[in-house]
Amino acid sequence: RKEVEQDPGPFNVPEGATVAFNCTYSNSASQSFFWYRQDCRKEPKLLMSVYSSGNEDGRFTAQLNRASQYISLLIRDSKLSDSATYLCVVNIAGNTGFQKLVFGTGTRLLVSP
Amino acid sequence: DGGITQSPKYLFRKEGQNVTLSCEQNLNHDAMYWYRQDPGQGLRLIYYSQIVNDFQKGDIAEGYSVSREKKESFPLTVTSAQKNPTAFYLCASSRVGDSSNQPQHFGDGTRLSIL
Repeated sequence: RKEVEQDPGPFNVPEGATVAFNCTYSNSASQSFFWYRQDCRKEPKLLMSVYSSGNEDGRFTAQLNRASQYISLLIRDSKLSDSATYLCVVNIAGNTGFQKLVFGTGTRLLVSP
Repeated sequence: DGGITQSPKYLFRKEGQNVTLSCEQNLNHDAMYWYRQDPGQGLRLIYYSQIVNDFQKGDIAEGYSVSREKKESFPLTVTSAQKNPTAFYLCASSRVGDSSNQPQHFGDGTRLSIL
């Protein structure tokens, strides 16, 4: 079983749609979680950290379910510019102040006019 | 602006040749990392360093070497022992604090190909 698993997609949605991605992780000791966005042939960029209570940043909402070991990302009112690959990332190093990140292979989102 | 600079953007390696990828950051981050990304795969950790003059092997260190003589710099050498070096190489850095929730910030990558 992969340490971090994501549906590769692609998810094809029209502009204005709401779309949700899920991600599961296998290491129950994982302490911190992130969503990164990666455009084609570019570097990953941090989209948002994921907190236990859930958190929102504009049109983006992230949720964490520690009991079921999954993380979700919800995008509301999709824009053409949201088209990218979304990487689920888990820190398996524990609460040491240092990071050992494990990256999912990403979920590809295509938003069409 | 603060950030991470990788160079070159594209690099070609001849068989039997060692090549070095540069990574410099001015974010005053203690930790630096090297990853490689292959098509359809997640990023995989090659080497990391938490502090100057110290570094650790990641998951796929064979065929690679690094040094950390300065806080700002973490160059990666792809040696001739790495038989499948064609990939997108990404350097990252992060703070090392009292919380593990410190995000990593990435340079814009180096694409390495075999001639």
